[in-house]
Amino acid sequence: NAGVTQTPKFRILKIGQSMTLQCAQDMNHNYMYWYRQDPGMGLKLIYYSVGAGITDKGEVPNGYNVSRSTTEDFPLRLELAAPSQTSVYFCASSSGSNQPQHFGDGTRLSIL
Amino acid sequence: GNSVTQMEGPVTLSEEAFLTINCTYTATGYPSLFWYVQYPGEGLQLLLKATKADDKGSNKGFEATYRKETTSFHLEKGSVQVSDSAVYFCAPLIKAAGNKLTFGGGTRVLVKP
Repeated sequence: NAGVTQTPKFRILKIGQSMTLQCAQDMNHNYMYWYRQDPGMGLKLIYYSVGAGITDKGEVPNGYNVSRSTTEDFPLRLELAAPSQTSVYFCASSSGSNQPQHFGDGTRLSIL
Repeated sequence: GNSVTQMEGPVTLSEEAFLTINCTYTATGYPSLFWYVQYPGEGLQLLLKATKADDKGSNKGFEATYRKETTSFHLEKGSVQVSDSAVYFCAPLIKAAGNKLTFGGGTRVLVKP
């Protein structure tokens, strides 16, 4: 009954460091999404994927990369962390483009 | 362009009070409409949805009606509880945007005993 699992839950990075945020879902969903949520704001779409091997940019993709080698996993990569990337990151999945999305619990990332 | 406007919070209420959170959207066509709820320290959860005009979504005592003529999807609950304290997001799924969710800024609701 795991749903969407994100790791880590918290992380502090120094400027210029890199890291990968992990996301895995066990619902066999084709669609997966990465969002960021800044304080007091709604969610903004970073990248999304409609199936294994296919990814596309969302509203705010700069500074991030993704890959989708399997249906289950959709990692988000930060290559050169910047203070502007301090945020809470949410991964989500859905069974279709017009179906409700299921969210993970989020990764709180601070870049100092 | 596509956009969502929902009332700003925080909204502070006493238990058993009536809650309304307004949401209007701008989009071409007829999007599916969703309300998501985010409890403290958690991810978003689907609260309710409506997929066509005049549909009423309902869950956990919350209701919202798809109003095509006013492009609105206001969330209501007749008697709130302390456990309803959360942030509520209105999110149309807009076909013209490639079936992407467009999130409002969220409305924080605090229910006091």
